[in-house]
Amino acid sequence: AQSVTQPDIHITVSEGASLELRCNYSYGATPYLFWYVQSPGQGLQLLLKYFSGDTLVQGIKGFEAEFKRSQSSFNLRKPSVHWSDAAEYFCAVAPHSGAGSYQLTFGKGTKLSVIP
Amino acid sequence: GAVVSQHPSWVICKSGTSVKIECRSLDFQATTMFWYRQFPKQSLMLMATSNEGSKATYEQGVEKDKFLINHASLTLSTLTVTSAHPEDSSFYICSARDSGEGGYEQYFGPGTRLTVT
Repeated sequence: AQSVTQPDIHITVSEGASLELRCNYSYGATPYLFWYVQSPGQGLQLLLKYFSGDTLVQGIKGFEAEFKRSQSSFNLRKPSVHWSDAAEYFCAVAPHSGAGSYQLTFGKGTKLSVIP
Repeated sequence: GAVVSQHPSWVICKSGTSVKIECRSLDFQATTMFWYRQFPKQSLMLMATSNEGSKATYEQGVEKDKFLINHASLTLSTLTVTSAHPEDSSFYICSARDSGEGGYEQYFGPGTRLTVT
């Protein structure tokens, strides 16, 4: 069964500092990879996704993520964090095909706090 | 962009009553919709996959008789929590997959906060 690990439950950074949120997955093949952001009491918004091709993916709001097959990782980065980035971030995977296609498996999330 | 709405955004009901939550894709057709449950400070857990015109597929451990899912049209799926109990209190989120897109992206609704007293 596939699984997603986000090792950091809570991260606090100062506004303007760089950010990296970690995500590791366990799956038999390279799955489709996603990062979502959830503001308090809200649904999820897709930040970026990786299906194939260039392993460095650009997303919305200045975020990017890099897929590293050798490390089974898909870490999210932002060079300069804004106070409005404070939210919960979820990494997710989905199989390419077969049973469970299109079904997302989520990590437990990383809560980001931003210090003004 | 693709928009998914949920109604109501929050609901309080008494134990033993039923509650229906609607999930609508506003500007696209969705043959597949998903229902998730999120406990406080936890991740989203997939409850079921809803396919238009057919029965929903429930994840292991989810009571299909308690969480009734109907996907009667390409833009609407409903989740009915029957005989609700306080332990059913949670944040329920739906998502929809754009049938015309052919991709894996799911568009999420804003969620429904259910409180059972």
